[in-house]
Amino acid sequence: NAGVMQNPRHLVRRRGQEARLRCSPMKGHSHVYWYRQLPEEGLKFMVYLQKENIIDESGMPKERFSAEFPKEGPSILRIQQVVRGDSAAYFCASSQGQGRTEAFFGQGTRLTVV
Amino acid sequence: KQEVTQIPAALSVPEGENLVLNCSFTDSAIYNLQWFRQDPGKGLTSLLLIQSSQREQTSGRLNASLDKSSGRSTLYIAASQPGDSATYLCALVETGANNLFFGTGTRLTVIP
Repeated sequence: NAGVMQNPRHLVRRRGQEARLRCSPMKGHSHVYWYRQLPEEGLKFMVYLQKENIIDESGMPKERFSAEFPKEGPSILRIQQVVRGDSAAYFCASSQGQGRTEAFFGQGTRLTVV
Repeated sequence: KQEVTQIPAALSVPEGENLVLNCSFTDSAIYNLQWFRQDPGKGLTSLLLIQSSQREQTSGRLNASLDKSSGRSTLYIAASQPGDSATYLCALVETGANNLFFGTGTRLTVIP
């Protein structure tokens, strides 16, 4: 049973480009969470999704960021018109049930904006 | 407003020593608390999950306790090894929420 798979592991984008980060949850998990870890800071919640639904996006910046978890395929975190301040490690986690169940994390995608 | 603090921020111990990592939180209305380790440049590995109704959980050389009334959790590591060197994070799910709220982390170095 593969764990949470994130790709790419490293992503370099120029300012103004789009970044697409993908996350495949563990088999049998239908709840996906995205977190961001800025340099020298802790992990901060961004968004919580179930299949085809955004449940909680209270941690997501209002502009340029969006997330989806389609019926088929991985969850996608999309950042449009990236800026240097978006450089961070983005982690995806999945769980079997809602947040009260154990969360398992992927290896993360390290985004560098140049 | 919830705050999760881990003290110390960094800790160095000689191999073989037993040690305790601390996690304190300001709002005791939580569903559960989870301990993770994060190796440099890597993802998070789940170590132990304690439900709010539980007092402790054990896995191998690790033991985590939870005292909601005092807003504290501890992670006890017995007979530390160099391979235990990592950053240890505690995270909780508040009542009514679904996401994890992370602490600031303790960077542990076990010296051979």
